[in-house]
Amino acid sequence: QLQLQESGPGLVKPSETLSLTCTVSGGSISSTNYYWGWIRQPPGQGLEWIGSIYYSGTTYFNPSLKSRVTISVDTSNNQFSLKLTSVTAADTAVYYCARLMKFQLGGYVDYWGQGTLVTVSS
Amino acid sequence: SYVLTQPPSVSVAPGKTARITCGGNNIGSKSVHWYQQRPGQAPVLVIYHDGDRPSGIPERFSGSNSGNTATLTISRVEAGDEADYFCQVWDSSSDHVVFGGGTKLAVL
Repeated sequence: QLQLQESGPGLVKPSETLSLTCTVSGGSISSTNYYWGWIRQPPGQGLEWIGSIYYSGTTYFNPSLKSRVTISVDTSNNQFSLKLTSVTAADTAVYYCARLMKFQLGGYVDYWGQGTLVTVSS
Repeated sequence: SYVLTQPPSVSVAPGKTARITCGGNNIGSKSVHWYQQRPGQAPVLVIYHDGDRPSGIPERFSGSNSGNTATLTISRVEAGDEADYFCQVWDSSSDHVVFGGGTKLAVL
């Protein structure tokens, strides 16, 4: 059974960089037909896709966040990571890592991490 | 960028049928997926490829997609179906993932 686990600080100061890592177990991050992604959910609000990465390193980002986001993959450790720079209180959210099944017409999330709350506050 | 529109809330009595819509420009040409999210939990996929059910999802959950509207239908609604539901597409022209704003299903 595939499992994804987010890790990283739960509190980040304004203007600093939010950094999270997702560790994948029970499957290989190098599997074809899958993307790996980050999705966030501010308290009481909906889901927002942040970006996705393929094991080869190809990345795609939400245009609204693209200038502040970096997503990288570490195939040797079966992990992928998120960095979000210049954070503000608006970046306070539960951050989920996820596996996305990709097919010709699109794709969907078939596995989610449990989510980790990141609060931006001084 | 592509926009998906959902009603903020839908109410239904137990045993009745709930229909949650997801609107988008020519969404019928895209593959739509639906997630259920209970409070404090991660979302769970309940419908993929417009109308397919993952294993473990009751047959009461079904989906359709045509024109500018996709619909998630929950038959014989139970109290345990009370949750937020999100639709999602993958815009293949840009490889961007898009979520609808979510619909809170209230079981009266």
